[in-house]
Amino acid sequence: DIQMTQSPSSLSASVGDRVTITCRASQGISNYLAWFQQKPGKAPKSLIFAASSLQNGVPSKFSGSGSGTHFTLTISSLQPEDFATYYCHQYNTFPYTFGQGTKLEIK
Amino acid sequence: QVHLVQSGAEVKKPGASVKVSCKASGYTFINYGITWVRQAPGQGLEWVGWISAYNGNTKYAQKVQGRVSMTTDTSTSTAYMELGSLRSDDTAVYYCARDSGMDVWGQGTTVTVSS
Repeated sequence: DIQMTQSPSSLSASVGDRVTITCRASQGISNYLAWFQQKPGKAPKSLIFAASSLQNGVPSKFSGSGSGTHFTLTISSLQPEDFATYYCHQYNTFPYTFGQGTKLEIK
Repeated sequence: QVHLVQSGAEVKKPGASVKVSCKASGYTFINYGITWVRQAPGQGLEWVGWISAYNGNTKYAQKVQGRVSMTTDTSTSTAYMELGSLRSDDTAVYYCARDSGMDVWGQGTTVTVSS
């Protein structure tokens, strides 16, 4: 199975900050990488697919990059509603797998 | 507008089976697969499996292989996930999502396994 490793596992930041979350795959997955945001008690929300393509309706403050084994999610100008848990997910090879999550908290 | 609406919460005893439904609307059902994901209390997301709504092909996670069955009913645009021989560690919120990219999610179904 392809292992997806996110870093950091948790992150404290302030409103207005810019943060970057990293996701590494244990083997190459081309650009079959998605990012999700999840708030407590809610279903995950798709932010980015194909490593860098923004889902409809997702603000441009979210951006993704990478290919192969190294990927990043960057969130600029953090607002209170952005504090949540973020997951990466590879859909290149079955069984598909998720990263362990990065919890973004208010400093 | 694309929606996935799941069935309600379930409480089951160890060894029993549970069947969760996921009704799709707002798109052509057979053009996309359905992915199932679960989340145990306080834990991260775990991919459970995928089914093609076009031809019924399935892929399952090793952890549930042999205990899970995913099906679709194209006449009602509904996907089903049945999990048998339930154990306490199957207690989780189960989500369905559209296809491999999971651009749209259901609201989740809580399955509790307890004696």
